[in-house]
Amino acid sequence: QKEVEQNSGPLSVPEGAIASLNCTYSDRGSQSFFWYRQYSGKSPELIMSIYSNGDKEDGRFTAQLNKASQYVSLLIRDSQPSDSATYLCAVNRFTGGFKTIFGAGTRLFVKA
Amino acid sequence: EAGVAQSPRYKIIEKRQSVAFWCNPISGHATLYWYQQILGQGPKLLIQFQNNGVVDDSQLPKDRFSAERLKGVDSTLKIQPAKLEDSAVYLCASSFHLEETQYFGPGTRLLVL
Repeated sequence: QKEVEQNSGPLSVPEGAIASLNCTYSDRGSQSFFWYRQYSGKSPELIMSIYSNGDKEDGRFTAQLNKASQYVSLLIRDSQPSDSATYLCAVNRFTGGFKTIFGAGTRLFVKA
Repeated sequence: EAGVAQSPRYKIIEKRQSVAFWCNPISGHATLYWYQQILGQGPKLLIQFQNNGVVDDSQLPKDRFSAERLKGVDSTLKIQPAKLEDSAVYLCASSFHLEETQYFGPGTRLLVL
């Protein structure tokens, strides 16, 4: 079992729709969670961070965390073609020492 | 505020040669990370420093990879000797403290022939 799992996609949504990206993690001791966006050939850039259960909204983006289910998601409302990228879930794990673990990423395509 | 700087941006070498990458983190950031990202995969943490001390290097292939951050600022990552499977993008990131948001540099694209 991978420590951080994401559906590799590709996920294709029409422009204006809601894109839903999911991530599960295996270590219950994980404390902080991040979503990064990575355009092809570029470096990851932070979209959202979330530390406590519930929802966190920032513009068109909403991160949701459920520690009991070991699940974190990212919703993108009113998806735009410019949102087409790979979305990486990252988890800070503390068990056995601090380490950041990235998922393999989900490729999102927003069709105009 | 200047971002994370990395050099070189691209490097092509032959297998068994050595190569070194340099990273300058954002000013004031205590934590520095080196990642390896193979095409189609997420970044894999190789080593992380808190100031000039190593926090984790459990995934660093120590028989061929080495890294240092002598003065708690700049860092270098070295591969010697390189193998074909080392072809990847090497990303450097920094954060103000451990656990906080990481900011990535542009990466070094390494091709081993």
